[in-house]
Amino acid sequence: NAGVTQTPKFRILKIGQSMTLQCTQDMNHNYMYWYRQDPGMGLKLIYYSVGAGITDKGEVPNGYNVSRSTTEDFPLRLELAAPSQTSVYFCASILRGLAGRADTQYFGPGTRLTVL
Amino acid sequence: EDQVTQSPEALRLQEGESSSLNCSYTVSGLRGLFWYRQDPGKGPEFLFTLYSAGEEKEKERLKATLTKKESFLHITAPKPEDSATYLCAVQARGETSGSRLTFGEGTQLTVNP
Repeated sequence: NAGVTQTPKFRILKIGQSMTLQCTQDMNHNYMYWYRQDPGMGLKLIYYSVGAGITDKGEVPNGYNVSRSTTEDFPLRLELAAPSQTSVYFCASILRGLAGRADTQYFGPGTRLTVL
Repeated sequence: EDQVTQSPEALRLQEGESSSLNCSYTVSGLRGLFWYRQDPGKGPEFLFTLYSAGEEKEKERLKATLTKKESFLHITAPKPEDSATYLCAVQARGETSGSRLTFGEGTQLTVNP
């Protein structure tokens, strides 16, 4: 298994441009997540999905959109890029634990985005 | 609202000098507390899950412990390859939580040879 893969690894955008960050997992995980990490900070949840066709907002959803048409893919869309969206973006998926036990999230390698 | 605070922000050790990282948390019913390791330019790598107060887990030079209010990551006789940022996160109970994680800001550990 490749695990969680993300593309691209790096991207520079101009203010107002749009782009889609891709995330794919081949582990048949139902739950998937998008986080952003600013320098020296922890991870902040943007959006998450508990299954195909189901998405929900996290802590910092403004400026982003998601869709989940398949179990494997969970793309993150930036419609009008702003300098405040300069960050590293991580996708994660869950291996469900035993009933009542916590679920472990496994992370992709990240996409480093700069908006100028 | 769930909150996680990690201290110190940065820690510099000499090789072989043992120490501990702290993670204080407040959560509306703890389902699990997680420790991750993050190397520069990479995604977080899972280390441990702790479920209840009094639980301990070990992996090589690392040992994680849990109380009702905080967790410690003890590093015994660290080596330079242990240098990384260590992240703590909590997962709350509840079917509507979506198994989300709330992260602390991390402790950046540097181990000098």
